[in-house]
Amino acid sequence: GAVVSQHPSWVICKSGTSVKIECRSLDFQATTMFWYRQFPKQSLMLMATSNEGSKATYEQGVEKDKFLINHASLTLSTLTVTSAHPEDSSFYICSASGGTTNTGELFFGEGSRLTVL
Amino acid sequence: QKEVEQDPGPLSVPEGAIVSLNCTYSNSAFQYFMWYRQYSRKGPELLMYTYSSGNKEDGRFTAQVDKSSKYISLFIRDSQPSDSATYLCAMTASGAGSYQLTFGKGTKLSVIP
Repeated sequence: GAVVSQHPSWVICKSGTSVKIECRSLDFQATTMFWYRQFPKQSLMLMATSNEGSKATYEQGVEKDKFLINHASLTLSTLTVTSAHPEDSSFYICSASGGTTNTGELFFGEGSRLTVL
Repeated sequence: QKEVEQDPGPLSVPEGAIVSLNCTYSNSAFQYFMWYRQYSRKGPELLMYTYSSGNKEDGRFTAQVDKSSKYISLFIRDSQPSDSATYLCAMTASGAGSYQLTFGKGTKLSVIP
């Protein structure tokens, strides 16, 4: 299957700083990427849908000014957690669609574990 | 009531056992059903994908969907220690172009050698 790469895989930062997470589709062009957050023992929660060249669509309750999403190219989307706080500590996962009409063909990144001290 | 309910387990079985994982859902609009496997500290990987009701088999894995009962299952035959992971069910209502999945919490499975 197609490969989606996330970087960094884990990051520790101080409260108040910003952290950027990258999501890359390595061998296909992803017109749409999705960002999820997963707390321990919880399901993946969709944060936002990112379309190349346009503004991201955020889910209800997700602060767009806090979680900045940029999808500047067909192979790269970034999530920036601005002014991070301990409650933002979580596992962030991106996924990308490979242009197929098969709804099940979503490819996930390895995830990025954020710890805010 | 949450849209998707999944028993988080943990579920522990001996090697070679048949494993049954289940999810129930409340949204009758869901038509596409997926099972993902997630190893610790990794992103989910797609295992099985089914549309509407019915069964689908792939090797040791069988996915079943019963839309009348709003119930889906994943069976793993001859379970192996390498099957130890968290299994997430996911589903969506729309067809092509809609990838906004609703996930269950995941069931943590341990297969004991």
